[in-house]
Amino acid sequence: KAGVTQTPRYLIKTRGQQVTLSCSPISGHRSVSWYQQTPGQGLQFLFEYFSETQRNKGNFPGRFSGRQFSNSRSEMNVSTLELGDSALYLCASSLWVGQGGEQYFGPGTRLTVT
Amino acid sequence: GQQVMQIPQYQHVQEGEDFTTYCNSSTTLSNIQWYKQRPGGHPVFLIQLVKSGEVKKQKRLTFQFGEAKKNSSLHITATQTTDVGTYFCAGRGNSGNTPLVFGKGTRLSVIA
Repeated sequence: KAGVTQTPRYLIKTRGQQVTLSCSPISGHRSVSWYQQTPGQGLQFLFEYFSETQRNKGNFPGRFSGRQFSNSRSEMNVSTLELGDSALYLCASSLWVGQGGEQYFGPGTRLTVT
Repeated sequence: GQQVMQIPQYQHVQEGEDFTTYCNSSTTLSNIQWYKQRPGGHPVFLIQLVKSGEVKKQKRLTFQFGEAKKNSSLHITATQTTDVGTYFCAGRGNSGNTPLVFGKGTRLSVIA
């Protein structure tokens, strides 16, 4: 079974631009979560989707948005990029959302904002 | 909101020594999960604990969930160089719709 895939793997953008990251979950997984990872901050939760519905949202500004499609694929968008948005963005899929449910992470998208 | 604290932030050990990382939540958890992230890699699921006082073992790794379901620990016996990486705990609160909150992780270095 193929793992979680994320595209692109690396991205360089300039301040003020916007970016869209994509995540394809493991086949059959209906829940997708997004995390931002920066040195010293660990994994900070961005969003959690299940069956095209956003179930939870982390404490990030409105510039960060996401969505999930009917095939469970998910995208996240960051508008008006800032230098502090430079990070590894990880997507994780699981069979269901809520109690239980181990998460399978993708390789991440490394975003650099200059 | 729910917070998960993890200590220590870094740990350097000689190969063969034991290692323990501790995880504490500000709220009661329904379950706790542990992940390992190798340098340059992505987090990989290790285990999930659900019951109060639960202890699970995976070879040299022992995982515990506290009686109050607010803390957890991971203990590695006789570390090896393959244990190098960052270990994260992650917990969900008890209420129906809460996200999985990760601790900041403990980075383990093993000196051969």
